[in-house]
Amino acid sequence: DVVMTQSPLSLPVTLGQSASISCRSSQSLVHSDGSTYLHWFQQRPGQSPRRLIYRVADRDFGVPDRFSGSGSGTDFTLKISRVEAEDAGIYYCVQGTYWPRTFGQGTKVEIK
Amino acid sequence: EVQLLQSGGDLVQPGGSLRLSCAASQFTFSIYAMAWVRQAPGKGLEWVSTIGTDIRETFYADSVKGRFTVSRDNSKNTLSLQMNSLRAEDTAIYYCVKGWQMESWGQGTLVTVSS
Repeated sequence: DVVMTQSPLSLPVTLGQSASISCRSSQSLVHSDGSTYLHWFQQRPGQSPRRLIYRVADRDFGVPDRFSGSGSGTDFTLKISRVEAEDAGIYYCVQGTYWPRTFGQGTKVEIK
Repeated sequence: EVQLLQSGGDLVQPGGSLRLSCAASQFTFSIYAMAWVRQAPGKGLEWVSTIGTDIRETFYADSVKGRFTVSRDNSKNTLSLQMNSLRAEDTAIYYCVKGWQMESWGQGTLVTVSS
């Protein structure tokens, strides 16, 4: 199985500052069709997960442009610019290239 | 807006069975793969199963293979998960999810396996 490793696991951030979360996969996530199926999800306390970013860098509809994704191969990053109070929660990366689908452990973003 | 209305979560004894349902609306259900993802209390997300648009195309996590069966009824826009031989470690919130790449999620339903 592909192992997804996130860091850090806890991230205190000051309002208005930027935050970055790393996600590394144990093997390349480039699919045979040429796409890289690495996605990012946000889970606010008491809520269902919500997809923010798909295929590394494409933002889902309604996601603020403060959220951006980057990376390639095995190394990916989610960046949150100008952090707001509503960004508090747990962020997960997931790979959709191989079976079984595997998630990172989650990164808890706390607003200071 | 996509609607995924889940039902079926309950308290069940170890070794028991349970069937979860997910009623989909506001999108063309038949042309989307659907999945189940679970989250144990206080833990992270774990993919459980996916069914393609072709009902013969199913995928399972090793942890549930042989015990869980995913199915869909395109005439009723409904996704189901039949869970047999339940174990304490199956205790989790189960989410119904739209698409191969998990684009929309239901509200979740709690399954508790305990005597």
